[in-house]
Amino acid sequence: EVQLVESGGGLVKPGGSLRLSCAASGFTFSNAWMSWVRQAPGKGLEWVGRIKSKTDGGTTDYAAPVKGRFTISRDDSKNTLYLQMNSLKTEDTAVYYCTTFKPRSGSDYWGQGTLVTVSS
Amino acid sequence: EIVLTQSPGTLSLSPGERATLSCRASQSVSSSYLAWYQQKPGQAPRLLIYGASSRATGIPDRFSGSGSGTDFTLTISRLEPEDFAVYYCQQYGSSRTFGQGTKLEIK
Repeated sequence: EVQLVESGGGLVKPGGSLRLSCAASGFTFSNAWMSWVRQAPGKGLEWVGRIKSKTDGGTTDYAAPVKGRFTISRDDSKNTLYLQMNSLKTEDTAVYYCTTFKPRSGSDYWGQGTLVTVSS
Repeated sequence: EIVLTQSPGTLSLSPGERATLSCRASQSVSSSYLAWYQQKPGQAPRLLIYGASSRATGIPDRFSGSGSGTDFTLTISRLEPEDFAVYYCQQYGSSRTFGQGTKLEIK
């Protein structure tokens, strides 16, 4: 059974940093492309970014609002995906979901999400 | 960036009725890289349809997707009580964006 468990959310001040983790199990993590999607309270879904498998180059791409501030990385030895968030803004407040991502079928598995609150 | 516009914003129907949800793209979606997701309150989204018309694993056949280019549709043939939720379309070809969602509520 595929499981994705996010952790690391919490309250952080504007301008601060936070690192989210996503522990994966039930599939071959090293072969998987992964992504982060967020959802502000009461709002819709917003794409954050994606990382390819190392076999496919391990490259990343990001949505415009987070480019240059957020970094997605992976540790295949630990079956873990990361999202490093720097220079946080109040508008980054959201539930952050980790997903598997297939280039031909989108985000087929989702974690339960972790809440990040950016507030002074 | 491709902008996806979903309509209507809210759809009020009764169980047993047919639901038709629309997703329009600001430019053509390459290779029909269009997905639909269902989200219930307090839950993570669930993939329903990918490639515009392929059902994801375990999705009942009352859910169907159609369309190409810039116009896509999600149809639920006969609504069950558990189908009342928010539905999002997403294009995952050129970059990746979501529509703003359609709330399907019980009439």
